[in-house]
Amino acid sequence: EVQLVESGGGLVQPGGSLRLSCAVSGFTFSSYWMSWVRQAPGKGPEWVAHIKEDGSEKYYVDSAKGRFTISRDNAKNSLYLQVDNLRAEDSAVYYCANNAFKDWGQGTLVTVSS
Amino acid sequence: DVVMTQSPLSLPVTLGQPASISCRSSQSLVHPDGSTYLSWFQQRPGQSPRRLIYKVSNRDSGVPDRFSGSGSGTDFTLKISRVEAEDVGVYYCMQATHWPFTFGPGTKVDIK
Repeated sequence: EVQLVESGGGLVQPGGSLRLSCAVSGFTFSSYWMSWVRQAPGKGPEWVAHIKEDGSEKYYVDSAKGRFTISRDNAKNSLYLQVDNLRAEDSAVYYCANNAFKDWGQGTLVTVSS
Repeated sequence: DVVMTQSPLSLPVTLGQPASISCRSSQSLVHPDGSTYLSWFQQRPGQSPRRLIYKVSNRDSGVPDRFSGSGSGTDFTLKISRVEAEDVGVYYCMQATHWPFTFGPGTKVDIK
């Protein structure tokens, strides 16, 4: 059974940082591109970042460039998103997704507020 | 960025009746590799999005065959042949041909 389990969300002040994690099982993690997608309350999903199987290519939505860093550890079957200099508009549920968005985790909530 | 639009944004349906959602992109979604990376997702209340259709018309495993996708270029459609109560939710189209990947605004399907 495919499982993606996000963690690391929480309440953070503007300008703060978090490291989101996604633990994966049930498929060959090292063989697939992986993504982070976020969804603000009451809004539609927004793709945030994408990373190649070996981590050699990374792509970001413009609003994340310079502040977010996607990475992966294939030995640990884990995906990460380092989010820095957080803004109120970054408040959302952050999901990891695999293989052209076939499978999604349950999400981790990030709230940016003073 | 590629802008995805959907219509209608709200779709009240009668159980057992068909439903159709349109998705249009601001530019062609045909990738240089020849594929068209247009997917449809269902999001039930309180749940994560679930992919139903990929590359325009390919149904994911476990997705009922009452769901079908069609279209080409910039114009795409998701059809539900006979709506069931479990189909209530928001449906999104998404393109993964051009960076950044973009989603449509969503169509909320509920029962009349």
